[in-house]
This record gives sequence, structure tokens and C-alpha cells, in this order.
Amino acid sequence: EVQLVESGGGLVQPGGSLRLSCAASGITFSTYSMNWVRQAPGKGLEWVSFISGSSTTTYYADSVKGRFTISRDNAKSSLYLQMNSLRAEDTAVYYCAKYGSGKSFDYWGQGTLVTVSS
Amino acid sequence: QTVVTQEPSFSVSPGGTVTLTCGLSSGSVSTSYYPSWYQQTPGQAPRTLIYNTNTRSSGVPDRFSGSILGNKAALTITGAQADDESDYYCVLYMGSGLWVFGGGTKLTVL
Repeated sequence: EVQLVESGGGLVQPGGSLRLSCAASGITFSTYSMNWVRQAPGKGLEWVSFISGSSTTTYYADSVKGRFTISRDNAKSSLYLQMNSLRAEDTAVYYCAKYGSGKSFDYWGQGTLVTVSS
Repeated sequence: QTVVTQEPSFSVSPGGTVTLTCGLSSGSVSTSYYPSWYQQTPGQAPRTLIYNTNTRSSGVPDRFSGSILGNKAALTITGAQADDESDYYCVLYMGSGLWVFGGGTKLTVL
């Protein structure tokens, strides 16, 4: 059974930094690309970032480009999101999502809440 | 900036059929956008329903089907049940490593 468990969320001041983690199990992690998707309170889903299995390819939404960095450690079956220069509008539940067939997101974690507020 | 459009809300009677759509603010949706659909209930993570336009994800009942209708992607629920009451999101792959979600449709079953 595929399991994705996010951690690292919390309250941070504007301009601060936070690092999210996603621990994967039930899959050969290194063979799959991964994503981060977020959801602001009461709002819809927003794709944030993509990383290939070998980390050679990364993509970012314009809203986070230059501030967020996606990475992974295949030996630890873990995905990360380093978030710098955080803004109030980054407040959201952040989900890690496994990349699936047809350019979709086939498995999702339960999410971790990031609140950016003074 | 391309916007992916969905109906904000929809209502269906139990046992009825409903079609939710996913369009573009400019242009037509085709299979080249690899439309996929997700169901989300409050407080829960999204669940994948349909990918690659019309392929059902594992374990998804065949009451859910995906297609292209006219210039939009579509999710049809046939024989709606009470537990289909959820938010439904589509996402389109815009190319060049960019995915854009629609704003979601809140489906009420009553």
C-alpha cells in the first residue's frame, strides 16, 4: 500500500523559512516523480512543484519560483520542499503527491498545514 | 495567464446523472492536456478519479467516467449517490512542466 506522510508544517512569520518533508512507503521511491500541491484555507488546489525520480528535472509554479526548492533523498524515500521568503498567501495545506500515469497525481498524502502570519 | 474553468457548484438528485466540465479561458481542451479529475471531501486529501482524459483510477466505480465534450473535458457521474457529495477538481497539463487546476465544483446530492 502506498503511503505518503507529510511533516514540517507550522506557524512562521512573513519572510521566514520552513522545510516540509514527505516520507514515502509502499513504492520504489526512486523510480517515481513527485509533486507538491497546496490548498489555501477554503480555496482550491494549486500545483506547486515537480521533481523527477533522479532529481534531474524540476518545475515550479510561477507563484513560488525563486523562493521554494524541491528536492528528494531516494535513500531515505523522502521528498522535501524548502520554502523561503514566505508570504501570507503561502498559507495552505501542502500535499505531496506521487506522479502517475497520464501526467496525473495518483497518490496523495494527508497534508501538512503551513501558516504564515505575524 | 490561462485559467482553467469549472462550474462553481452543481446539484444532482440521488440516482441522477450529472456532467461536470473543465474548460479553458482561451482555447479548447483536448486529450493533449491530459485532463485528470479528483474528488475531495472536507478535511480529506484529494482522491484520484480519472486520468488521461478517460481512464478510471484503481478502485473507482464505473459510475464515474471521463471524456471530451465539445471544447471541454468532462466528468460524468451516472446514478449519483449521497456520498458523491464532494468537491471535484480537474487539472490540465499545459506543457513545459506546468499543471493548472480548475477552481473546483461543489457537487450537492439532494
